[in-house]
Amino acid sequence: NAGVTQTPKFRVLKTGQSMTLLCAQDMNHEYMYWYRQDPGMGLRLIHYSVGEGTTAKGEVPDGYNVSRLKKQNFLLGLESAAPSQTSVYFCATSGGAYEQYFGPGTRLTVT
Amino acid sequence: AQKITQTQPGMFVQEKEAVTLDCTYDTSDQSYGLFWYKQPSSGEMIFLIYQGSYDEQNATEGRYSLNFQKARKSANLVISASQLGDSAMYFCAMREGDTGGFKTIFGAGTRLFVKA
Repeated sequence: NAGVTQTPKFRVLKTGQSMTLLCAQDMNHEYMYWYRQDPGMGLRLIHYSVGEGTTAKGEVPDGYNVSRLKKQNFLLGLESAAPSQTSVYFCATSGGAYEQYFGPGTRLTVT
Repeated sequence: AQKITQTQPGMFVQEKEAVTLDCTYDTSDQSYGLFWYKQPSSGEMIFLIYQGSYDEQNATEGRYSLNFQKARKSANLVISASQLGDSAMYFCAMREGDTGGFKTIFGAGTRLFVKA
């Protein structure tokens, strides 16, 4: 029972490159979230999903796209990476109104 | 507008003593939830405790308790008998409402240092 996993753990991109972060969960949760964590700013919600086939914008969605084709997976895409997207990205899931379960994070550096 | 405020960027506490981490929030919803998460230096996010807005009693989980003062819109975390392993970043968070994806807003965090 892996819980919430994220792939990759680390990545370095050059400005303008694209990449996809994968979040996978085996908890059968409906709700999934992508956050970014920058120093001194806590976690900020990028996009979220309330179920398979649904996505919605969070607090800081610009420059990111997401897809939830399968219930267990939530993908975060960067089409043209910028240095301002250097951050630690966390995926989280929840079964409803209570706590969220977080993946281990992906450290992304854009040079 | 920032809806979760943690005014203590850093806190020091002596091992075995209690410590209170402050959190104030702002919402117009009647139904909401308040959370505390711990982030050790290894980086993972660990759920500690939850308080619902309609819960009349303060939540407790082992050495953690949440001092919920609804009228003052505060949700302070109390850690009793601090341990060296409690040294970490602590985030207060709030879920507004009962629908809409249960989006959660996080504060900027408080870094706790436990001294031996």
